[in-house]
Amino acid sequence: DAGVTQSPTHLIKTRGQQVTLRCSPISGHKSVSWYQQVLGQGPQFIFQYYEKEERGRGNFPDRFSARQFPNYSSELNVNALLLGDSALYLCASSPDGSYGYTFGSGTRLTVV
Amino acid sequence: AQSVTQLGSHVSVSEGALVLLRCNYSSSVPPYLFWYVQYPNQGLQLLLKYTSAATLVKGINGFEAEFKKSETSFHLTKPSAHMSDAAEYFCAAPYSGGSNYKLTFGKGTLLTVNP
Repeated sequence: DAGVTQSPTHLIKTRGQQVTLRCSPISGHKSVSWYQQVLGQGPQFIFQYYEKEERGRGNFPDRFSARQFPNYSSELNVNALLLGDSALYLCASSPDGSYGYTFGSGTRLTVV
Repeated sequence: AQSVTQLGSHVSVSEGALVLLRCNYSSSVPPYLFWYVQYPNQGLQLLLKYTSAATLVKGINGFEAEFKKSETSFHLTKPSAHMSDAAEYFCAAPYSGGSNYKLTFGKGTLLTVNP
């Protein structure tokens, strides 16, 4: 069975640009969570979506937004990129939004 | 809010030696505690989960962790380190406030295994 898939695996953007990261959950999982992992730190919660509704949001500016589609895949958008947005962005899925997360391998975003 | 502290950002052991990675939680007894492992350029893999059913929790790859309420700790151990255990390890707990979906992570401990 396919795990959580994220695309792209790596990308480089310039300050001020916008970026969209994509996540496909495990088949049957209705919840997707997004985490940001800055180098040398633990992951920090950004969003969770369940059944296409935002269920929670972490302490991130409004430049960060996300959505979940009818097939339960998800996109994370970041506008007006800053150097500090450089990080590994992790997507995790679970059947019902509880803590039974399965993480994807992440998207490495570098802002220059 | 719950916070998790991992003592030691880097632990180095010899192959075959005991592995001990430390984790302390900050506030009221959490309903769950987790240990995750992250290999280079990969996502997080769940090693084990504490659910209050038992204080000693066995996980994958020979790891186990013991919940000690009196010490607010959930340290991760493995009796004999293997080269393949070299990775970064994260302790995590639910963010307090009634949510059942948000995890707070420690800063991680990088485990190096020397031959």
